[in-house]
Amino acid sequence: AAGVIQSPRHLIKEKRETATLKCYPIPRHDTVYWYQQGPGQDPQFLISFYEKMQSDKGSIPDRFSAQQFSDYHSELNMSSLELGDSALYFCASSSGDRGVKNIQYFGAGTRLSVL
Amino acid sequence: QQPVQSPQAVILREGEDAVINCSSSKALYSVHWYRQKHGEAPVFLMILLKGGEQKGHDKISASFNEKKQQSSLYLTASQLSYSGTYFCGTGFYSSASKIIFGSGTRLSIRP
Repeated sequence: AAGVIQSPRHLIKEKRETATLKCYPIPRHDTVYWYQQGPGQDPQFLISFYEKMQSDKGSIPDRFSAQQFSDYHSELNMSSLELGDSALYFCASSSGDRGVKNIQYFGAGTRLSVL
Repeated sequence: QQPVQSPQAVILREGEDAVINCSSSKALYSVHWYRQKHGEAPVFLMILLKGGEQKGHDKISASFNEKKQQSSLYLTASQLSYSGTYFCGTGFYSSASKIIFGSGTRLSIRP
């Protein structure tokens, strides 16, 4: 079965640079979620989209922005990168408008290292 | 708002049972359980909803006490493959889709 695809898998950036993370949801899934996970920490919810509209917002810095496109893939744009942005970034997807009743399926993640 | 998980860590021998608890200070609408191995994606185990609906794997069981705002995950006859960090995620009435995860329970299984 097809899973959530994230690219790139690894990304190394310098401070103050920008980064773009991509997420391709499971086919026919219309909701995408972004999470940030630091070493030894739990996944922190950043933002979600349903049918290309922002659905919910968490602790996403103002330097970050995201959108969902017409083919349902999503991109997380990160600017003015800081050392503290180094983390695993997960994308998850789900199907249907059931809000917090949706089962979220996670991608393998993008490991971002900011030097 | 972050749910509290207990214990923080547990070590078992293969074949033993374990219970992982998750409690919230706010009224819950849904509880999601995931297992994550180091450096990998969280893997869905079970979802429990207010009203009794639940979906998950055959070999995993869980309970949801809506009044106490608590959920427990039961791992029976543990196998080496059960090792990892277990997270509960909580969904609230006020959230459109946001799930807040607990700090995790690290489970180690020894032969």
